[in-house]
Amino acid sequence: EPEVTQTPSHQVTQMGQEVILRCVPISNHLYFYWYRQILGQKVEFLVSFYNNEISEKSEIFDDQFSVERPDGSNFTLKIRSTKLEDSAMYFCASSEMGTGSYGYTFGSGTRLTVV
Amino acid sequence: AQKVTQAQTEISVVEKEDVTLDCVYETRDTTYYLFWYKQPPSGELVFLIRRNSFDEQNEISGRYSWNFQKSTSSFNFTITASQVVDSAVYFCALSEAGTGRRALTFGSGTRLQVQP
Repeated sequence: EPEVTQTPSHQVTQMGQEVILRCVPISNHLYFYWYRQILGQKVEFLVSFYNNEISEKSEIFDDQFSVERPDGSNFTLKIRSTKLEDSAMYFCASSEMGTGSYGYTFGSGTRLTVV
Repeated sequence: AQKVTQAQTEISVVEKEDVTLDCVYETRDTTYYLFWYKQPPSGELVFLIRRNSFDEQNEISGRYSWNFQKSTSSFNFTITASQVVDSAVYFCALSEAGTGRRALTFGSGTRLQVQP
């Protein structure tokens, strides 16, 4: 069964550093997403991406975040200057359609720890 | 705005008991999708079920069953004869297909502990 692949599985970074989280969505999917889960809390939507541009973003997704599809397979989330409160599990997801009609496939997550 | 409420923060049962996890949602869209995900201690999100707003039939999959009631805006999940491996956090989620947010909005989750 096709999978969404995320790397690395765990990343530790110093406060103020830039981090890039990487994802390889399922190849025939058109919509890509990033979600965040602070430890012990709910999963929160950050951003959706379609046709090489952001289609929707939440209030969490401020100027320190950016997303990119640098080539035909990767989808990245960049945090420019990390803060302690950015420590969380970050999930990438992809879907065939922009609605839930075909569901969403999630990666296994990247645990980001900011020290 | 869409919202998903899981009022039960944590439930503890003894193995073989039945348990129901509640989910109440709010949306203005007439077309929407409801989901349940399981998050085991390893942290990944495991898809359990997707239901669209036009299909109110209840669904059963092995020990799992789901009760969707539009009249009460609820999409409850029942595990029959629970097992220790069912211990996890369970999330209910909603996506809207109309003018609302199409990405998933999750509830706060219910932590289920099944004691042997």
